[in-house]
Amino acid sequence: SQQGEEDPQALSIQEGENATMNCSYKTSINNLQWYRQNSGRGLVHLILIRSNEREKHSGRLRVTLDTSKKSSSLLITASRAADTASYFCATDFTGTASKLTFGTGTRLQVTL
Amino acid sequence: GAVVSQHPSWVICKSGTSVKIECRSLDFQATTMFWYRQFPKQSLMLMATSNEGSKATYEQGVEKDKFLINHASLTLSTLTVTSAHPEDSSFYICSARGSNSYEQYFGPGTRLTVT
Repeated sequence: SQQGEEDPQALSIQEGENATMNCSYKTSINNLQWYRQNSGRGLVHLILIRSNEREKHSGRLRVTLDTSKKSSSLLITASRAADTASYFCATDFTGTASKLTFGTGTRLQVTL
Repeated sequence: GAVVSQHPSWVICKSGTSVKIECRSLDFQATTMFWYRQFPKQSLMLMATSNEGSKATYEQGVEKDKFLINHASLTLSTLTVTSAHPEDSSFYICSARGSNSYEQYFGPGTRLTVT
């Protein structure tokens, strides 16, 4: 399976702390994307990082990509209770006509 | 931003019946649409890819005769679950992508419960 692995599977932190989630994948990619999903809802696109990029920022989000290690990380700084959700990485593998393969996901719980 | 809708948002049906789920791109033309299913607390698994006007491409292990996909226009794709069984109960999510774009825009999902 090409499905990416994410760790941790679950993360519980207090409001104001930073949350870091990691994603590893197996083959060459065109790009890697991070999504958020609130319970029972659709996906919200957070950020896309291309294979030739190493780091990208968007508001409180910071994404890194290390293609040599086939891994990416998502950092959420100064977390809020509203950040509570599941976070998925999704990889667009080279030669797959831009199909996305989703990672196993990290369930983030931010408590007050 | 690009908006994708799904209808219905939830449906309950009896075993043996068929259910149709619609996926619409509201403000852009979707040359490609994707259908995923998601079991509780699990990740999304791609079921099939459909390009407007052509037959869908199914992922390994997905029965094309059971999950009928039609992408007849640039704004609408439908997924029909035929002869549904309780094990088909799941959250079905579609996404749409325009031409010359990497980004997929996701619908809000449809929760199917088969009794």
